[in-house]
Amino acid sequence: KQEVTQIPAALSVPEGENLVLNCSFTDSAIYNLQWFRQDPGKGLTSLLLIQSSQREQTSGRLNASLDKSSGRSTLYIAASQPGDSATYLCAVTGGAGSYQLTFGKGTKLSVIP
Amino acid sequence: DTEVTQTPKHLVMGMTNKKSLKCEQHMGHRAMYWYKQKAKKPPELMFVYSYEKLSINESVPSRFSPECPNSSLLNLHLHALQPEDSALYLCAGKHRDGVNTEAFFGQGTRLTVV
Repeated sequence: KQEVTQIPAALSVPEGENLVLNCSFTDSAIYNLQWFRQDPGKGLTSLLLIQSSQREQTSGRLNASLDKSSGRSTLYIAASQPGDSATYLCAVTGGAGSYQLTFGKGTKLSVIP
Repeated sequence: DTEVTQTPKHLVMGMTNKKSLKCEQHMGHRAMYWYKQKAKKPPELMFVYSYEKLSINESVPSRFSPECPNSSLLNLHLHALQPEDSALYLCAGKHRDGVNTEAFFGQGTRLTVV
């Protein structure tokens, strides 16, 4: 069974800091990895999708990397802002015979003004 | 604007009620999904529809009944729910149920069963 772990579970940083969120998965036979943002009580907003053949993807202040062989991904947020405060979820497709999304439990980010 | 629209945003229902959740998309997604998310937990897959046919049912109790009337619409019919079914119900779409396509989620329906 594919398992996805996100560390840390919660993170608090002052505004303007650069930060890194971590995601690891147990079965490296994935097809892709997707990062989502979730505001309290709301749905998931897709941030970045990285295919298994890619090493990184960038969107604005966000940069996601993928090291498939070691089962790791990082989401780098540059110059953090209070509006970045949310829970960030990592999800992989594939691994252990699954063709559906397997989610981590998320990292709750608080950016302090 | 979200590509996937869910209604209602909030729903309170009694254990003897029948209600339905609605999900709509006009982005040509041919794979649509229902997820259930409890507080502080990741989303859990309930159902997958591919080209309007149910392809995956993750052993969901029969008090949840999905329906896909057409390629733009997905419903989740609810009957005789229990308080533990209270959760955020999320709909998602993909252009196809492939492994290399991006998933887009709606804003969810917050369901409370009393």
